[in-house]
Amino acid sequence: IVMTQSPATLSVSPGESATLSCRASYSISSNLAWYQQKPGQAPRLLIYGASTRATGVPARFSGSGYATEFTLTISRLQSEDFAVYYCQQHNDWPPRTFGQGTKVEIK
Amino acid sequence: QITLRESGPTLVTPTQTLTLTCTFSGFSLSTGEESVGWIRQPPGKAPEWLALIYGDDDKRYNPSLRTRLSITKDTSKNQVVLTMTNMDPVDTGTYYCAHKVAATYGPLFDHWGQGTLVTVSS
Repeated sequence: IVMTQSPATLSVSPGESATLSCRASYSISSNLAWYQQKPGQAPRLLIYGASTRATGVPARFSGSGYATEFTLTISRLQSEDFAVYYCQQHNDWPPRTFGQGTKVEIK
Repeated sequence: QITLRESGPTLVTPTQTLTLTCTFSGFSLSTGEESVGWIRQPPGKAPEWLALIYGDDDKRYNPSLRTRLSITKDTSKNQVVLTMTNMDPVDTGTYYCAHKVAATYGPLFDHWGQGTLVTVSS
């Protein structure tokens, strides 16, 4: 499977919204997760099952999609949201399960 | 509260075997529902899962690295050990251990260690 994220970099002003995309090369049902990673830190699980927020994740993070097309929306971006975001399929166990990442940077 | 911590060498020479230990707390790896995995991340690149072990001792290995990997557990010590043979400079990166979300099939990790940077160089 190939997980393709777009765009590679997204420039957004604080307070605005950001929309990140992830495409799977074949259907993974709703088995899609999103992780946030800040420099020097481990990835943090944000969303799983395409749309379920992990414990403690703010409501401004929302996920949607099914089969091969998925979206992560971050509403009203705050300073702590600027990071790299990875999508990952959790449908099966191929060699590669993560996308290449989208960096959300301050505009 | 689930916590995990990786330990092991920070520098290995090419062809050597890498041995990493994950020490965890907040859950027990004594039932088939629980599992711990290893994930690595080369500098500036996406993470890549390596191996996973369940409480019932079932194991999964990344098909692309299967011949080089071995994962074991010591339930009494709450530890999981990963060995990777024939290390190469391309194996340089941060190695994480992580708790897999119970009752899910695929590689879904909800708690991660801080990671340990392993450099492969002569």
